[in-house]
Amino acid sequence: GAVVSQHPSRVICKSGTSVKIECRSLDFQATTMFWYRQFPKQSLMLMATSNEGSKATYEQGVEKDKFLINHASLTLSTLTVTSAHPEDSSFYICSAREGQRNTDTQYFGPGTRLTVL
Amino acid sequence: GNSVTQMEGPVTLSEEAFLTINCTYTATGYPSLFWYVQYPGEGLQLLLKATKADDKGSNKGFEATYRKETTSFHLEKGSVQVSDSAVYFCALSWVTGGGNKLTFGTGTQLKVEL
Repeated sequence: GAVVSQHPSRVICKSGTSVKIECRSLDFQATTMFWYRQFPKQSLMLMATSNEGSKATYEQGVEKDKFLINHASLTLSTLTVTSAHPEDSSFYICSAREGQRNTDTQYFGPGTRLTVL
Repeated sequence: GNSVTQMEGPVTLSEEAFLTINCTYTATGYPSLFWYVQYPGEGLQLLLKATKADDKGSNKGFEATYRKETTSFHLEKGSVQVSDSAVYFCALSWVTGGGNKLTFGTGTQLKVEL
């Protein structure tokens, strides 16, 4: 149980275009979803936390107008990278947490590799 | 602030060898500690966790003990298999106004050869 999917797994786009990444919890309701970014040989860096039906909370240094997050249902969150540039190229990973806010366990998606040309 | 430091990889071992991957942390308060594993092409999976000092987390032959005095949570396995080849992430969980958040180490790649 507790499966999280991401789509697409890989995307290549031109500079200036927008890209949408979907994160779905397949067999549970995710009250909270997280979006991370991972650079080669580096940690996962938390970008933002989204709670269903409310605005996302962004970490310091993350541009909320650049990385639009929508958590419209208990099983779906989307991350839209607007006006993408080559420096936005990265591996984006989502995770989902079930149940109460203070639960430790997060379930992770397989990640999306974004390449901006 | 909170941070996690783990040994750099890749770590290459022969099958049935003993594994240790070091992890130390810096945190205010009393975080929970985790090891996640990422197999090729897959998402991160929770391997084990410990929520308080001296707790030992264990799963699939892997163990880690929460050592408050040395701020460490080293991952060990007595006999590795080729199927254990993956990237291992140490992480800590801390409480914010928005709930629990995770801080990760950089990950350690393990390669197990026959």
